[in-house]
Amino acid sequence: QVQLQESGPGLVRPSETLSLTCTVSGGSISSYYWNWIRQPPGKGLEWIGYIYYSGSTNYNPSLKSRVAISLDASKNQFSLKLSSVTAADTAVYYCARTTRGDRGPQHFDYWGQGTLVTVSS
Amino acid sequence: QSVLTQPPSVSGAPGQRVTISCTGGNSNIGAGYDVHWYQQLPGTAPKLLIYGNSNRPSGVPDRFSGSKSGTSASLAITGLQAEDEADYYCQSYDSSLSGSGVFGGGTKLTVL
Repeated sequence: QVQLQESGPGLVRPSETLSLTCTVSGGSISSYYWNWIRQPPGKGLEWIGYIYYSGSTNYNPSLKSRVAISLDASKNQFSLKLSSVTAADTAVYYCARTTRGDRGPQHFDYWGQGTLVTVSS
Repeated sequence: QSVLTQPPSVSGAPGQRVTISCTGGNSNIGAGYDVHWYQQLPGTAPKLLIYGNSNRPSGVPDRFSGSKSGTSASLAITGLQAEDEADYYCQSYDSSLSGSGVFGGGTKLTVL
């Protein structure tokens, strides 16, 4: 059974960089897309971006200038860095896995439990 | 403003049938990208409910079904049960956003 677990600071100061890691257990990083998705309190889901196991990435255009997703296959982990954060970046951050289809990534089949990150001084 | 449009809320009595619509455009659903649906119970992570427009993962009751036509998709729930009360999200991809993942704004289902 594949499991994903987010980890990282729950509080980040404004203008600093948010850093989270997702650890994958019960399966390999290979042959999948690995995503970050966030949900501000009381609001809907927003896709942040993904990294394919080969290392290629794709980011939400609205966040692209501030986002970097990396992968460490040796540790079965992938990470998110979001720079210059503001209060608007306060959200529950989820990591999730996507399979590859004919047109690229498909549905999010496995999700982490989510971690709340608050941006505040 | 979400790329995919869902009604903010729907409701139904136990045993009834409800549908949730998801309207997109020619660069996402209308471009042939599949639509996927997720159920989010309060305080929990979203759970895959329907994938590839109409397919149910193992363990999802056949009371849940999905369909797609043109630039829209729908989720139908029959035989409503109290435990179906949750938020539901549709999801696809958008070629005008460089293949970005896109979600609907979510629909709150209330079982009366």
